Amino acid sequence: QVQLVESGGGLVTPGGSLRLSCVASGFTFSDHYMIWIRQAPGKGLEWVTYIDDSGTTIFYADPVMGRFAIFRDNAKNSSYLQMSSLTAEDTALYYCARSLLNGDDVFDLWGQGTMVIVSS
Amino acid sequence: DIQLTQSPSFLSASVGDRVTISCRASQGFARYLAWYQQKPGKAPKLLIYGESTLQPGVSSRFSGSGSGTEFTLTISSLQPDDYATYFCQHFTTYPLAFGQGTKLEIK
Repeated sequence: QVQLVESGGGLVTPGGSLRLSCVASGFTFSDHYMIWIRQAPGKGLEWVTYIDDSGTTIFYADPVMGRFAIFRDNAKNSSYLQMSSLTAEDTALYYCARSLLNGDDVFDLWGQGTMVIVSS
Repeated sequence: DIQLTQSPSFLSASVGDRVTISCRASQGFARYLAWYQQKPGKAPKLLIYGESTLQPGVSSRFSGSGSGTEFTLTISSLQPDDYATYFCQHFTTYPLAFGQGTKLEIK
């Protein structure tokens, strides 16, 4: 079955850290760029970070620059989001998504999301 | 950085109506726009991208158009399954951005 499954979310205190995982199945993971997108409760979509197929090109949104790190392990069909110095503004449902094969940064497969709540 | 503004934010329409949702960009670009549909409790679903490339399995009632700073998603004849929130996304360069969303409700 072609799918992405996120895990690792939970409740964390401000200033804490969390690592999210995204495991792919049913397709050739190493062919796709991957991104993480978040959605605060009742809000819109916010792009967080991008990693290319080989893991050599990475971009971050300004609000997470220096605090979040994305990486991938193609042998494990997995992408990871290491989050640190978390604040209440990071509270959101975090989705991973894969890019189209044609290189366009458009995302045709999404996971179900994992919820991160930052609160004391 | 490119910002996207959708209008309207809320739209009430009836089954069978023709609906248009606009997405305005802060800077002009050509084909690099996509549209997603999101239903409550679900992940976004890619509908259309580029010139007007429909994702496999997406109804031909959906179409996209525009260039420069003005883009439009059109649903030709609303069906009950179309009630959802719609987001535009540019993919010209990073940072990517999404519009704030248009919630389509039953009239």
